[in-house]
Parts: sequence; structure tokens; C-alpha cells
Amino acid sequence: EVQLVQSGAEVKKTGESLKISCKGSGYSFTAYWIAWVRQMPGKGLEWMGIIYPGDSDTKYSPSFQGQVTISADKSISTAYLQWSSLKASDTAMYYCVRPSFPYKWNDAFDYWGQGTLVTVSS
Amino acid sequence: EIVLTQSPGTLSLSPGERATLSCRASQSISSNYLAWYQQKPGQPPRLLIYGASSRATGIPDRFSGSGSGTDFTLTISRLEPEDFAVYYCQQYGSSPQSFGGGTKVEIK
Repeated sequence: EVQLVQSGAEVKKTGESLKISCKGSGYSFTAYWIAWVRQMPGKGLEWMGIIYPGDSDTKYSPSFQGQVTISADKSISTAYLQWSSLKASDTAMYYCVRPSFPYKWNDAFDYWGQGTLVTVSS
Repeated sequence: EIVLTQSPGTLSLSPGERATLSCRASQSISSNYLAWYQQKPGQPPRLLIYGASSRATGIPDRFSGSGSGTDFTLTISRLEPEDFAVYYCQQYGSSPQSFGGGTKVEIK
């Protein structure tokens, strides 16, 4: 069974750093791209970027380029999303997602993690 | 960057009625790489339609997608109680990928 299991909720202060994780199982982790999607409270979905764990090729949305870092450790089948200095506006639910087909970054997302809620306050 | 505009923002309908949701793109979507998702409160989204018109695994046939180029439609032929939710379209043909703002289908 394909699963994406994300790390737990985080409560942080502005200016702090954070790294959240997404562990894939039940499939070949290095064959599928993994993306991150943000959902701010009561708002819609935003595509942040996507990584290919096989060689760490990464594409970012211009809206998030330079604001976050997407990485992956294929040895432990885990993708990461990290911030070096959090802002209150980073408060959101973050989902990791996997496309339907291997080796394709341009594909619909048929598997979603459970989400990681990040709350940032001053 | 492709901007997706969904309409209406909210659709108030009764169970058994037909729902028609629209998604319009700011430029043509390559290869009809357009998907639809359903999201219920407290849950991650679920893939309904990909390739503009193909149903994902396990999705009932009351859900159908159509359209091409810049104009796409999700139709729910007869609303069931569990269909009241928020629906998002997504284009995945070009980077950055993007989602529409969503349409909420609520009980009238």
C-alpha cells in the first residue's frame, strides 16, 4: 500500500527555522517525483515545488523560490520542506503529494500525505 | 505562469440535482493536463479526474470532466450527500503547476 506519512504539527516563533518531513512507503521512492502543496487557513491549494528523489532535480514555484528549500534523502525514502526563518504568513497546512506515474513531474497527484500543520506566532 | 479561475465560488444545490463547475485557464493547457480534486473539511484533497476527462480509480461515474484548451468543466450528474465539499482544478502541464481558487458545493 502506497503511503506518504508526514511529520507532526509544529508550533514555532517568527525567525525560527523548521524542517518537516514526508516518508514514502509501498512504492519505489526514487521513481516518483514528490511535490509540496500549501493550504493557508480557510484558503485554497498552492503548488510550492517538486523534487525527483532519484537525482534531487527540483522545480520551484516563483512564489516560493528562495523562501523554502525542498530536499530528499533517498536512503530513507524521505522528502523534506524547510524554512531558515519563519514568518507568521507561513502558518498553513502543508501536504506532500505524489504523482500517479513514475518519472513524470507533470502528472496529477493521486497520493496525498495527511498534512503537517505549521503554526508560526510572534 | 498559468492562472486558473474557478466559477462559481459557491454553488448551492439540493441532493439529486446536477452540479456544473467551471475552470478557465489564462492560457491553453498543454495535452489537457487538467485535474479535479475534492476536499472535505479536515481531509487532504482526493483526485477525481485527470487528463481533463479520465476518472481516477474508484471514482463514481456520476463525476465527469470535459473541456480542452482553456475551458474545462466538472459535472456531478446527481449530487449525493457525500458530494458536498470544495472542488479544485489543477493544471500540471507546465511549471509552475497551479490550482484554481476552488468552488464550494453546499447544501441548499
